[in-house]
Amino acid sequence: DTGVSQNPRHKITKRGQNVTFRCDPISEHNRLYWYRQTLGQGPEFLTYFQNEAQLEKSRLLSDRFSAERPKGSFSTLEIQRTEQGDSAMYLCASSLVGERRPLYGYTFGSGTRLTVV
Amino acid sequence: AQSVAQPEDQVNVAEGNPLTVKCTYSVSGNPYLFWYVQYPNRGLQFLLKYITGDNLVKGSYGFEAEFNKSQTSFHLKKPSALVSDSALYFCAVSPDNYGQNFVFGPGTRLSVLP
Repeated sequence: DTGVSQNPRHKITKRGQNVTFRCDPISEHNRLYWYRQTLGQGPEFLTYFQNEAQLEKSRLLSDRFSAERPKGSFSTLEIQRTEQGDSAMYLCASSLVGERRPLYGYTFGSGTRLTVV
Repeated sequence: AQSVAQPEDQVNVAEGNPLTVKCTYSVSGNPYLFWYVQYPNRGLQFLLKYITGDNLVKGSYGFEAEFNKSQTSFHLKKPSALVSDSALYFCAVSPDNYGQNFVFGPGTRLSVLP
């Protein structure tokens, strides 16, 4: 296992189009997180899954955004009717968390850079 | 609500000199603090964490951080900087030990000059 994989690395789309990103976490990790990072800012939390259940969503996740993790493995993040303000790096991270496994930090993917023109 | 401040946008240091990247935090309850580094066009890489115990935490690549509860600070340090340490550094706080979402600081760009 080589870590968290995100595809595509870059995406350029026209305003109003829909886009979908994929994240493949480390295989034994039960938690998967999505963050958004705009230029010059730290990552901002969007949502996270424990297995296939989406447990928390940020207010940043408008109704144009939807995330899924149907089998508790890979996840997709879809943005509908993209706007220029959606241009950002979308980061995925995963971790293994449980009763006897406290958090030791996430493993991040390299991100998908979205440019909306 | 949690928050993290990194008061310096940019830190410049000469190679071989000690470096400090500052972080202060605000959290209710016990803080769980982390440092991450980001190289250009890459994801964030974990450097070190403070959960409990010793206030001086040692991490990857020779970095360490000192937790100071009275000053609510968690500054990142390295005794001797390398040019390859030049990157973007993020401090983050988690509200618990079980992976609730992190709140990241805005980042500090470290430039190590040869």
